[in-house]
Formats: sequence, structure tokens, C-alpha cells
Amino acid sequence: DAKTTQPPSMDCAEGRAANLPCNHSTISGNEYVYWYRQIHSQGPQYIIHGLKNNETNEMASLIITEDRKSSTLILPHATLRDTAVYYCIVRPWNSGNTPLVFGKGTRLSVIA
Amino acid sequence: DAGVIQSPRHEVTEMGQEVTLRCKPISGHDYLFWYRQTMMRGLELLIYFNNNVPIDDSGMPEDRFSAKMPNASFSTLKIQPSEPRDSAVYFCASSGQGAHGNTIYFGEGSWLTVV
Repeated sequence: DAKTTQPPSMDCAEGRAANLPCNHSTISGNEYVYWYRQIHSQGPQYIIHGLKNNETNEMASLIITEDRKSSTLILPHATLRDTAVYYCIVRPWNSGNTPLVFGKGTRLSVIA
Repeated sequence: DAGVIQSPRHEVTEMGQEVTLRCKPISGHDYLFWYRQTMMRGLELLIYFNNNVPIDDSGMPEDRFSAKMPNASFSTLKIQPSEPRDSAVYFCASSGQGAHGNTIYFGEGSWLTVV
């Protein structure tokens, strides 16, 4: 079972920041927070991941609370192409490659 | 770099026929995953391999499903005989070491319809 809770859907105006929340209150010390998205008819796409520090890359920023029980994915300037289902996943970081366990995610609709 | 490559992209087959889905992982990756996505169940893991050896196949729904990885650059997922309830999108994914460490990368999927 997925260990995260996300709102089922959100809307965002084009050009505005999209802030997608995720609760992971039972996260363990060796677990990272990963974000993926799935645009219609495509495979899941990696966005970003982090342990406890805030992270930023060319796609998004990830803000993790100090207690690590929740996080927020930020798309700074959402476009219509960002319309997708966004998945927040916690996953152990160890010597092996633990599979991703997907929940239902948040369906983000970017509106013109 | 080429991503994970899956074939066929779309397949329509009749109930009872054998279906073979193929996957070429990213070069150098030593983990390969097969997922299935349906409206009812979402994305679920079927099986995964490490260095061509199956590690966990507990997600394979029944004996009609089998997966092999004969070498580091090729894997198959076979359904025999196929049934209408097998209609789904099947994703292959791979991961390994490198700039993104253990990040898993997905292919574009194989859309299967069994009539």
C-alpha cells in the first residue's frame, strides 16, 4: 500500500505556481520522497526526489518539512503541458533499487 | 541517450491468444521492472529483475503470466492464454547507477486490448 496521502485533484491557472501537497507521516529515516508525473497516454516521468533538504531542478522544487512528515512539490510557472497526474512516493534509499509503489496521485489541471 | 524502449506500442488480440511484450532497458541499468496500469487498480508492480535474475514476482497475477530476462538488454512479458481482463497498459522501467542514482525510468508503455 502507498504510504502517502495526496488530494485527488487540483486546478492551477496557467503561469501561476502549482503547489502540490503530500502527507507521509509514517516516513522512515532511510526513506526518500520521490515525485513522478504521468501525462495522459505516457509513461510515468521522474521529476525530483529529496531526503530532508529542499531540492530544486529544472522542472520543479521540493520542499520537505523539518519533521519530514509532509512535502510540497512546486511547479513555479505552470503551463498547459504540466496537466498530468502527480505521484508522491516514499522509497528506501539503500544498496538496492526498491520498486516504486504508486498511490492514486493528484490530478493537476492547468487552466488557460 | 535512448530511454526504455517497449514494443509493441499497441496490440489488439483475441481471447486465448498468446501475447508477448518486449522491453529494452536503458544501457547499463541492472534493474528492470514490469508494471501494469488499469483504471480500477492503478499502477501495480508485476515483477522485477536484478542482473537478469527475478527478485520478486509476487505481483504476477496468475500462472498465465510469465516474464524472462535472457540478457541485460532484453526482457519479455508473456501472457498465455490472454483474457479480456488482461487489457491494460503494461510499462517496463529500469534503473541503475549514475547521475540520478537509483532513479527509475519508464518506457512509454504497451497498450493491450484483449477482445
